[in-house]
Amino acid sequence: TQLLEQSPQFLSIQEGENLTVYCNSSSVFSSLQWYRQEPGEGPVLLVTVVTGGEVKKLKRLTFQFGDARKDSSLHITAAQPGDTGLYLCAGAAWGAGSYQLTFGKGTKLSVIP
Amino acid sequence: DAGVIQSPRHEVTEMGQEVTLRCKPISGHNSLFWYRQTMMRGLELLIYFNNNVPIDDSGMPEDRFSAKMPNASFSTLKIQPSEPRDSAVYFCASSRINLAGWETQYFGPGTRLLVL
Repeated sequence: TQLLEQSPQFLSIQEGENLTVYCNSSSVFSSLQWYRQEPGEGPVLLVTVVTGGEVKKLKRLTFQFGDARKDSSLHITAAQPGDTGLYLCAGAAWGAGSYQLTFGKGTKLSVIP
Repeated sequence: DAGVIQSPRHEVTEMGQEVTLRCKPISGHNSLFWYRQTMMRGLELLIYFNNNVPIDDSGMPEDRFSAKMPNASFSTLKIQPSEPRDSAVYFCASSRINLAGWETQYFGPGTRLLVL
């Protein structure tokens, strides 16, 4: 069974601060995805990282895939209240006919104005 | 594009009753996934279909759970009989392989189930 450990589980910071969320596994994944989920809604894909060592930027969000493709991090610069939500990482592995995702339990982020 | 549609959005039932959750995937998507989300266990894959065929149901908790996909535009997840420990948010997601060989799963809004 492939497991993804996310840390921290909860994070409460002031507007303008920086933060990093970590996603670690002992397994190698074909790709790793980051999702954001708001209350009462389903997760929405933010980014997919595929290559070991890959770094992707989405405005104030920076995503990195570890060299060994087992871990990833999400860094948010100058957090805004609109960044509040549950951040989920998911490792993708090819199954029969489709990619299966294994999700971490998530990091619940609260950005206080 | 209407996105993935799930119904009902909320369901409250009593232990022992049958519960049926419904999902309409995005048109043109050939894979459909059912997930369950709880605080304790996070988001777990229950079963997924490819071209309407169940591929992997190893995540289905027990025989009380069953899922069907009679056609490309409709799927159901049934729990019979329901138990309080089944209380969770159930998500349906659909996807298709893109030209780059990868895919994005699009999630519905979920069904919040409470079994009393």
